[in-house]
Order: sequence, then C-alpha cells, then structure tokens
Amino acid sequence: KNEVEQSPQNLTAQEGEFITINCSYSVGISALHWLQQHPGGGIVSLFMLSSGKKKHGRLIATINIQEKHSSLHITASHPRDSAVYICAAGITDKLIFGTGTRLQVFP
Amino acid sequence: DADVTQTPRNRITKTGKRIMLECSQTKGHDRMYWYRQDPGLGLRLIYYSFDVKDINKGEISDGYSVSRQAQAKFSLSLESAIPNQTALYFCATSDPSGTDEQFFGPGTRLTVL
Repeated sequence: KNEVEQSPQNLTAQEGEFITINCSYSVGISALHWLQQHPGGGIVSLFMLSSGKKKHGRLIATINIQEKHSSLHITASHPRDSAVYICAAGITDKLIFGTGTRLQVFP
Repeated sequence: DADVTQTPRNRITKTGKRIMLECSQTKGHDRMYWYRQDPGLGLRLIYYSFDVKDINKGEISDGYSVSRQAQAKFSLSLESAIPNQTALYFCATSDPSGTDEQFFGPGTRLTVL
C-alpha cells in the first residue's frame, strides 16, 4: 500500500463545475503539500498545510489530521485548470508523493 | 530568469553511456533534491543534499551518483545508462529556515535507447 494515495486518478469536468481531489496518507506528517504539474511538465507548489483550510483564488485545500485526509477543491473550474494535481506528505525534510490526479476541464 | 534551471532539457542517449544532468539555483537555498518521474508513479527521490558537504541517498539511488559542486549547483550522473532509466528528472530546492516548500526546475526528459 502506498503511503500517499490520491483519488481519482483521472477526472474530466465541464467548465464551471466544482472539482474535488482527495488525498489520504498513512504516515505522520509535518505538512501536506499540494502541487500542480502543467501539461508542459513544470511543477509548482500550490499549498502547504498542517491544519484546517487554506484558500487561494478559486483553489481551496483542507486537511483533517485525525483522519489523515486532505482535499483540494477548485471552484468554477476553467480549461486553464487542466493539469496534474499532486499531493505530497512532508516527512522529516523530505516529501513522499502521490501518483497524481489528471484533471481535464472542457469548455 | 528561472530560479531553478536544469540542463539539458531533453537528452537521448544509448545504453552504457555516461550522462550528467545539471541543476543550478539562484534562490540561495541550502537544500537540493533530485527526483525522477515515471508514468503512473509518483515522483521518487534519488538523492538529496542539505549543504555542500552533506549528500544523502533517496529511495532509488542505485545506478545514480551526485555531486554538489557549490551551494547553487547539484549534478546527477548516470555512470552507465540503461533503458529503464528513461524518465523525467526534476531538481528541486527548499529553504529550511522558511517553509518546507520545494521549488522545482523545469525537468529533463531523458531517453535511454
């Protein structure tokens, strides 16, 4: 069993839909990271959180430490949100990555 | 200019060849990492370095070596490339005095024939 699991693996949506991507982890963490990988391959950090909820624009990340679960939500999705979203568990200065969720948003 | 750069961006080589991937950063971070990404698998850590004199193996270091020439430079070498080392390779940096956020280079796509 992987230490960090994401669901779904693939997700398609119509523009405007509300998107949820889930991440479960089985290890103790210092922080949970959400990253975005663009179709060209570049990776950027979206959020780091160790408790509660963070919001940036149309993106919201939540974490439940007791349940070892985090969600990434995208409100009013847009085709430019199409990317691979990766969660990663921060453990003692290193990251353990999930396999990613490929999101495609169609106009 | 990008804060973390990787060269080359794409490389095709043959089995048995030695190849070096280079990473440079202008962020002034002490910590640097090399990852590989394969389809269907998450990013996996190859090597990491917390300063010039500190080099550590990651989960998949076999077949790879690294050199930390300076705070800003961290190179990954494949001494004798094999086809299952075909992958997308990323360098990343982080600053332990701030947050644990990692900053990634643009990636190097390596194909071993």
